[in-house]
Amino acid sequence: EIVLTQSPGTLSLSPGERATLSCRASQSVSSSYLAWYQQKPGQAPRLLIYGASSRATGIPDRFSGSGSGTDFTLTISRLEPEDFAVYYCQQYGSSSWTFGQGTKVEIK
Amino acid sequence: QVQLVESGGGVVQPGRSLRLSCAASGFTFSSYGMHWVRQAPGKGLEWVAVIWYDGSNKYYADSVKGRFTISRDNSKNTLYLQMNSLRAEDTAVYYCATVGANAAFDIWGQGTMVTVSS
Repeated sequence: EIVLTQSPGTLSLSPGERATLSCRASQSVSSSYLAWYQQKPGQAPRLLIYGASSRATGIPDRFSGSGSGTDFTLTISRLEPEDFAVYYCQQYGSSSWTFGQGTKVEIK
Repeated sequence: QVQLVESGGGVVQPGRSLRLSCAASGFTFSSYGMHWVRQAPGKGLEWVAVIWYDGSNKYYADSVKGRFTISRDNSKNTLYLQMNSLRAEDTAVYYCATVGANAAFDIWGQGTMVTVSS
């Protein structure tokens, strides 16, 4: 099973700042099958990025994804108040899906 | 509008069974694979099971294999999760979600809480 490790665990930033979230896989992941989600308290997760770099429908262009192999990144170019949340990366391979443990982006 | 609504959660004793349902509307349910994903209180997301659009293939996380069964009724636009031999560690919010582009979890329900406790 591929293990995804996200860092940092918590990111403390101010609105308007740039957020860079990392997701590292224990073995190579197909870029086609790497996704990112946002989850706010009491809500279901929301798909942000699929295929490592494609934005899901309705996702603002301040969210971008990049990476390949074992290292992937989610970047939020300028944090808006509604972006403070927990973010998860996720991969698919060999009929199994796994999530990272999450990165919390909190207001500094 | 596109919607997934889970139901069937509740409090159950260890070793007992429970069946969750996920009612779909606003899209062609029979064309989509479907997942169950769970989240223990204060914890991260854990994939549980997937079923192909026509029910032809089913896959499970090791943590539930042999105890949980995913199924669907395309005539009723409904997904199911039969959970047997429940354990305390199965306590979680259970979400259903569609299989979207590139095997991502596209549309999510609001979740249903399952508590396994004596």
